[in-house]
Formats: sequence, C-alpha cells, structure tokens
Amino acid sequence: GENVEQHPSTLSVQEGDSAVIKCTYSDSASNYFPWYKQELGKGPQLIIDIRSNVGEKKDQRIAVTLNKTAKHFSLHITETQPEDSAVYFCAAPLFQGGNKLTFGGGTRVLVKP
Amino acid sequence: NAGVTQTPKFQVLKTGQSMTLQCAQDMNHNSMYWYRQDPGMGLRLIYYSASEGTTDKGEVPNGYNVSRLNKREFSLRLESAAPSQTSVYFCASSGDAGTGGTEAFFGQGTRLTVV
Repeated sequence: GENVEQHPSTLSVQEGDSAVIKCTYSDSASNYFPWYKQELGKGPQLIIDIRSNVGEKKDQRIAVTLNKTAKHFSLHITETQPEDSAVYFCAAPLFQGGNKLTFGGGTRVLVKP
Repeated sequence: NAGVTQTPKFQVLKTGQSMTLQCAQDMNHNSMYWYRQDPGMGLRLIYYSASEGTTDKGEVPNGYNVSRLNKREFSLRLESAAPSQTSVYFCASSGDAGTGGTEAFFGQGTRLTVV
C-alpha cells in the first residue's frame, strides 16, 4: 500500500508570512492528494485536493502543487492569519483507485501575531 | 445537517473492559471508515466499509471489530481494551470514487483512555 511522509512536524510563522508543508508518497500510481485541516478538539476537514492530471490548484490563500516525477506534493498558505493555526494532514489513497486514505504524520502550524 | 455523528465523545475504560463506539452519517454515503489518531502518527485506518454488509481491514485492525449495521451506521468494538488502544478515534464517510466524491467527512472524535 501507499506510504506518505510529511514535513515539517511543526511550523511557526509570523502573521502575514507564507507557510509551506511538503509530503512525499511512494506509489507512482496514486492519483488523488487531499489536504485536511484539524482544529483543536475537532475532526479533520478537507481544505483542498488535487488530482494527478493537474500540477497546481489554488483556492484563495491556499494552493497545492504536485510533482509526479518526484512523487511529492506541497501545501502553500500565503498571507497567514491566526485562524490558520491548526494541524494539517496530507493524504493519498491507501491502495490504487480506492476510497481508503493513508495520512501523513501531520504538521502543527502556529501563526504568531 | 449533522454530517457524521460519533458517540461517546469521551470514555475511560479499565484494561480488559469492552465497549462499542457508535457512528452515524446522514449524507447517504456508501463508504465509512474508522481511524485512530495518535501523537505524531497522523490518522491510521482501522477498518473500512464500502457498503452495507461489507467490511475490510485497514492498517491497524488488531484488537477491534466492526459492524456495518445499515447504510447510516458503522460501529467499532473493543472486546478487551488494552492501554495501547488509548487514542482518539474518528469515524468518517465518503461518496464513491467513481463519482468523484472521494472527500472524507469526519466526525468530532472519541477520546478513549484505557487505564
């Protein structure tokens, strides 16, 4: 099955700066890469996803890039705000073509005012 | 619109006790999942159900059993709880990958402590 690694495990940024989180995956056949945000005491919530037929996707201040050759994908948050403070998880299908996801270890992002 | 509802939110068990975690979704999803979340290890899949009446093991199934009671409900049972099962448990559901509905919707979680 797929294996996903996520870095860094913690990230502290100044409000207004950018934050970047990177994930690598092992299965070159993987075709779906979502990012989830988890606020304290809540379940993870999808914030953006990308499929293998595109290299970049943007939604307001967040963007995801995918490098299929290198087998990595990254989350970019621009103009960070205090409400961006949370734990972020990347994921990929556990097995090719399936619904089951395997997750990275998570990145705790702290945005300092 | 409740989404995915889990009960209970908190539970403390003694080693060897049993309990069932309940989960229900109101989004008419076929697929449901149980994950556990441990510090620094992300979410790991325990069991999965692609449809009513079917279940499949995930990455860490040992010590757990599941029941897909109907399309809405998917329960997780610990027959003999162990301290290693102390964790936060999340239930999730999703639509079918064929329709592009692969987003997983998560419940609020159950924080379980086994002493």
